[in-house]
Amino acid sequence: EPEVTQTPSHQVTQMGQEVILRCVPISNHLYFYWYRQILGQKVEFLVSFYNNEISEKSEIFDDQFSVERPDGSNFTLKIRSTKLEDSAMYFCASSRGINEQYFGPGTRLTVT
Amino acid sequence: AQTVTQSQPEMSVQEAETVTLSCTYDTSENNYYLFWYKQPPSRQMILVIRQEAYKQQNATENRFSVNFQKAAKSFSLKISDSQLGDTAMYFCAFMNGGDGKLTFGQGTILTVHP
Repeated sequence: EPEVTQTPSHQVTQMGQEVILRCVPISNHLYFYWYRQILGQKVEFLVSFYNNEISEKSEIFDDQFSVERPDGSNFTLKIRSTKLEDSAMYFCASSRGINEQYFGPGTRLTVT
Repeated sequence: AQTVTQSQPEMSVQEAETVTLSCTYDTSENNYYLFWYKQPPSRQMILVIRQEAYKQQNATENRFSVNFQKAAKSFSLKISDSQLGDTAMYFCAFMNGGDGKLTFGQGTILTVHP
């Protein structure tokens, strides 16, 4: 069964550094999403992406965040200058239409 | 803005028994979807079941079923014949029919005891 994959599984970075989190959505899906989950808290929507552009973003998704689909398969989330409070689990998800989303296993980001 | 509330931070159940997890939501929309996701200790988010708001019939998926009460804005998950592998955090989630953005509840930790 096709699944969403994410790399790396765990990323440790120093405050102020740039990180890129990578995702490979399910191949025939058209909508892509990023969510984050700070430890012990609920999952929060960051951004949705369709037809090579952002379709919606939350207040969390400020200028230090960006997303890109650099080729036909990858979907990336870049954090330009990481802060301690960016430490969280980041989940990529994809969907065929505006309906059920399938999540990847997540990338644990630790900012020190 | 939509909100999703799960009022049970923790629940426990004996293996083979039935348990119901509660969820309420608030929206002014008429076209929306509701979901239950399971998050085991591995932290992977796994889709358990979904319900379209326009459908009156409650969704079922093997041992998992929902009780969708649209007027009351309630969407509970019933797990029958609980198994040890059902131990996980369960999140209720809402999606407006038009935007694809999931809004999650705070989660309920379910522990299944042998």
